[in-house]
Amino acid sequence: AQRVTQPEKLLSVFKGAPVELKCNYSYSGSPELFWYVQYSRQRLQLLLRHISRESIKGFTADLNKGETSFHLKKPFAQEEDSAMYYCALFPGRDDKIIFGKGTRLHILP
Amino acid sequence: EAQVTQNPRYLITVTGKKLTVTCSQNMNHEYMSWYRQDPGLGLRQIYYSMNVEVTDKGDVPEGYKVSRKEKRNFPLILESPSPNQTSLYFCASSQPRQGSGRYEQYFGPGTRLTVT
Repeated sequence: AQRVTQPEKLLSVFKGAPVELKCNYSYSGSPELFWYVQYSRQRLQLLLRHISRESIKGFTADLNKGETSFHLKKPFAQEEDSAMYYCALFPGRDDKIIFGKGTRLHILP
Repeated sequence: EAQVTQNPRYLITVTGKKLTVTCSQNMNHEYMSWYRQDPGLGLRQIYYSMNVEVTDKGDVPEGYKVSRKEKRNFPLILESPSPNQTSLYFCASSQPRQGSGRYEQYFGPGTRLTVT
């Protein structure tokens, strides 16, 4: 079954420390993977897509097909990074995107 | 400005009173969907539509209806709301296209619904 797993509900990190938000997926084909972010009282926004291999707001995410993972990383956390982060998988067949349950990132001063 | 709008943003209603949450996008997107967001459960898809007059059930369709008579609008209908439908609802749209990120979704601002 297709599935996206974000094992951490809450991640607290000190400002300036490295951040890694974990995402594992289960899918037999070649999916498209995304990270979405939701800041307090705001709508969801796209943060990263694996196919672009870009860095946004200092975040990067590498697709590891062997480990079926798409972890989100940032070397030095900033207070404005506090938000809810969702990993999402798009199988590319019937447009049914699959979201993980989300991880709340809390940056400590 | 390209955007997805939802109305109302906040709604408190009583059990059994029919309601509609509207969703509209101005990007000529073919694909639209509705999600509900609940603590501990994250985002779950309710219904989606790949084009006008084409709708399909998502993961949690029970108690909801949708329609897609026009490309830009995708209303969510609760015929007889119940307290377990108290949630934060998001509408989203996207346009499949060739190249990178072809399934990026644009989200509306959310509708917070409370059913008492």
